[in-house]
Amino acid sequence: DQQVKQNSPSLSVQEGRISILNCDYTNSMFDYFLWYKKYPAEGPTFLISISSIKDKNEDGRFTVFLNKSAKHLSLHIVPSQPGDSAVYFCAAIGWGGSQGNLIFGKGTKLSVKP
Amino acid sequence: GAGVSQSPSNKVTEKGKDVELRCDPISGHTALYWYRQSLGQGLEFLIYFQGNSAPDKSGLPSDRFSAERTGGSVSTLTIQRTQQEDSAVYLCASSLQGAGYEQYFGPGTRLTVT
Repeated sequence: DQQVKQNSPSLSVQEGRISILNCDYTNSMFDYFLWYKKYPAEGPTFLISISSIKDKNEDGRFTVFLNKSAKHLSLHIVPSQPGDSAVYFCAAIGWGGSQGNLIFGKGTKLSVKP
Repeated sequence: GAGVSQSPSNKVTEKGKDVELRCDPISGHTALYWYRQSLGQGLEFLIYFQGNSAPDKSGLPSDRFSAERTGGSVSTLTIQRTQQEDSAVYLCASSLQGAGYEQYFGPGTRLTVT
């Protein structure tokens, strides 16, 4: 059973508009969340993260929102640029145990059209 | 500085053969992770090394898969008697410490089993 879900496999947005990528999780032990961006034939690159003690983290054009009660997080990109076109992965981790690995969603492919 | 490197970048092998995939983490990173991404899937955790601790092998899909990390640096993932379902991109990541710190990914090894 998937613990991290990205229910939209793809998203298309016009350049300059806002992109909103969503992620849901089921494990209440998760308390740190990350977004990675992946271009074809490259490894994922870290984008932004958020701890469960916060509900928002902002870095330039990228903002991540966390709603713990709903077990939902979202990544906002504004304004969107064609270079943002990539696959975005949501990932989660729990501090509670010895788990060191990230649990990834299946990704959302974002296409930003000029 | 140098990022995570992986070799080979592509590997085509016949069903039943053994393969070795190599990962060179970022110097000084104590944690090393192996993931794989099958077609249309998210990243699936395989194994996690943290310092001198026993590795977390909980993600290895079968006993045909094994990994070593020599001298706390380079890691080798070995797949014995490869099967077609092993075809995937195998990604290595490292982080400064384990459990939540940002993971830096290599470009991956695309394995095709014919």
